[in-house]
Formats: sequence, structure tokens, C-alpha cells
Amino acid sequence: NAGVTQTPKFRVLKTGQSMTLLCAQDMNHEYMYWYRQDPGMGLRLIHYSVGEGTTAKGEVPDGYNVSRLKKQNFLLGLESAAPSQTSVYFCASSQTRINYGYTFGSGTRLTVV
Amino acid sequence: DQQVKQNSPSLSVQEGRISILNCDYTNSMFDYFLWYKKYPAEGPTFLISISSIKDKNEDGRFTVFLNKSAKHLSLHIVPSQPGDSAVYFCSGGTSYGKLTFGQGTILTVHP
Repeated sequence: NAGVTQTPKFRVLKTGQSMTLLCAQDMNHEYMYWYRQDPGMGLRLIHYSVGEGTTAKGEVPDGYNVSRLKKQNFLLGLESAAPSQTSVYFCASSQTRINYGYTFGSGTRLTVV
Repeated sequence: DQQVKQNSPSLSVQEGRISILNCDYTNSMFDYFLWYKKYPAEGPTFLISISSIKDKNEDGRFTVFLNKSAKHLSLHIVPSQPGDSAVYFCSGGTSYGKLTFGQGTILTVHP
């Protein structure tokens, strides 16, 4: 049982380049999320999805796009990377009720130079 | 507007003693509060939760206390162990909503 898998684990981008982060879960969870973690800022929600084909903006959505074409996958795209997007990105999934908690992936460390 | 705040960036405790991590929130609509633990180079893992209708939840060495009138919760770890050294995140949310996380507190337990 893999849980939540994120690829890649590390990436270095040049300013202006684009990339897609992939998140896959095998727990049949309805909800999926993308967070970023920055020093002193905790985990901030970028975008989330409450089901296949749906997406919604979180707290810090600017500069990112997402898609959820299949229930098990949630993609995070950066169209034109900026140094301010240097961060550690975490994907998570959950059942519909929040009290069951989230299952997080191991993260993607992205550096934009 | 930071809805969940952890005002102590770090906490240092001796092995065997109690660790108390604190968290304040502003959103009175939160139904649940959850604590997560994070080791370096890993994703956060769920530790313990509490419903807004309870004031205490216990799971082994971990106990979470909720004071709704003060909009404050705390996580107690007794006794603390070196393996508990990690970043602890407090979070809150509504029943079918999404979680809002605090900034995290780095706990160091010295042998």
C-alpha cells in the first residue's frame, strides 16, 4: 500500500521554465490537496479538489494551475517558474470527513534559480 | 489573516519530562483540530485529533486539550522521548472542509 506518491522528489528550474508535479494516491480518497511549506509560514494550501474533475483555489493559488482528470491523480503545474516558488511542495489526500486526517506524500523540493 | 497560530517556533525538553505544544485559533467555525508530526525529508503524519465538542482526547503518551472559550489547544507528550524530536503542526477545519495549518513548532528532546 503506497499511500500518496509524489514525483519528482527534487527539481531545479530556471526562472521562466515550466513543470508539472504529479501526485498519485491509491486509497480511493475523494479529496486531494497541494500545500507548500516555507520557513516560518507553515503549510499553506495552494489548490484542492473534492472529486474527479473538480478543482478549487486555496490560500496561495497565484502562479499555479491544477488538474484532476482521474480520481487517483492530482497534478500541480507551474507555467512560468519564479524564485518565489522555491519551496517544498506536499500533496495530500483524505476521505470526505476531516477528522480522519490527511495522508501526505513525502514532498517535492523545488528550487527556482 | 492567520487562522491558526503556533507562537513558539521551538521547544527544548529533557527526555522523560513533559512536552507542551500550544496553538491558538481564530475561526470559531472549526469542528475539528488535528496535530501532525513531521520528520526532516518526510511528509507530515497524522498524530491525534479532537472534536470541538470535546475538551480532551488521549492516545497513549499524547493528549490534546481544547479550550474553546480561549480558542486555544495544546498537545501534551508524556513522557517525552528523543524519537519525538520533530516539527509539530497544529491544524483546524470544518467537518467536510479543508485544514488550515499553523507555522509549526520544532520540538527537540534531549537524552
